[in-house]
Amino acid sequence: DAGITQSPRYKITETGRQVTLMCHQTWSHSYMFWYRQDLGHGLRLIYYSAAADITDKGEVPDGYVVSRSKTENFPLTLESATRSQTSVYFCATSSASSYNEQFFGPGTRLTVL
Amino acid sequence: AQSVTQLDSHVSVSEGTPVLLRCNYSSSYSPSLFWYVQHPNKGLQLLLKYTSAATLVKGINGFEAEFKKSETSFHLTKPSAHMSDAAEYFCVVSDRSGYSTLTFGKGTMLLVSP
Repeated sequence: DAGITQSPRYKITETGRQVTLMCHQTWSHSYMFWYRQDLGHGLRLIYYSAAADITDKGEVPDGYVVSRSKTENFPLTLESATRSQTSVYFCATSSASSYNEQFFGPGTRLTVL
Repeated sequence: AQSVTQLDSHVSVSEGTPVLLRCNYSSSYSPSLFWYVQHPNKGLQLLLKYTSAATLVKGINGFEAEFKKSETSFHLTKPSAHMSDAAEYFCVVSDRSGYSTLTFGKGTMLLVSP
């Protein structure tokens, strides 16, 4: 049971490039989330999705795009990466019946040069 | 609106001594409260959660937390620290009225010395 996986685990890119971070879950949870983790800030919500084709902005959505065509996948795209987007990105899921309890993936460490 | 404040950015203890990680919250509605732990270079793992039942909540690895509404606190404790407890701990709040996103504290790094 893979649960929730993220790929790649590590990524180095250059400013201005487009980058897509993948998140895949095998639980069929309704809700999926993207967070970024930076020193001194804890985790901040970027975007979330309540179901396929339903997405909403979180606290820090600028510079990011998401889509959710299938329940199990929730990719996060940086359309034109900036150095300030260097961070660790976590995907999380939760079920509709226990929507406040979230399960986290292992994270993707992104460096933008 | 909801918010959470972790009162210490770092806590240092010796192995075998008690652990106390402090958390205060603010919530417009009845809150759900969580503690998550993150070991180095790992994802977050749920330690325990409070959703409205018993105010003293027991979690994994001997941790527990007490919900005190009058003090708006949800402090995490453990009677005896183990070296493997060294990690970063996050207090998290969510409003229970309808669906609400989670709000994370900035984290407390627990250091355990031999």
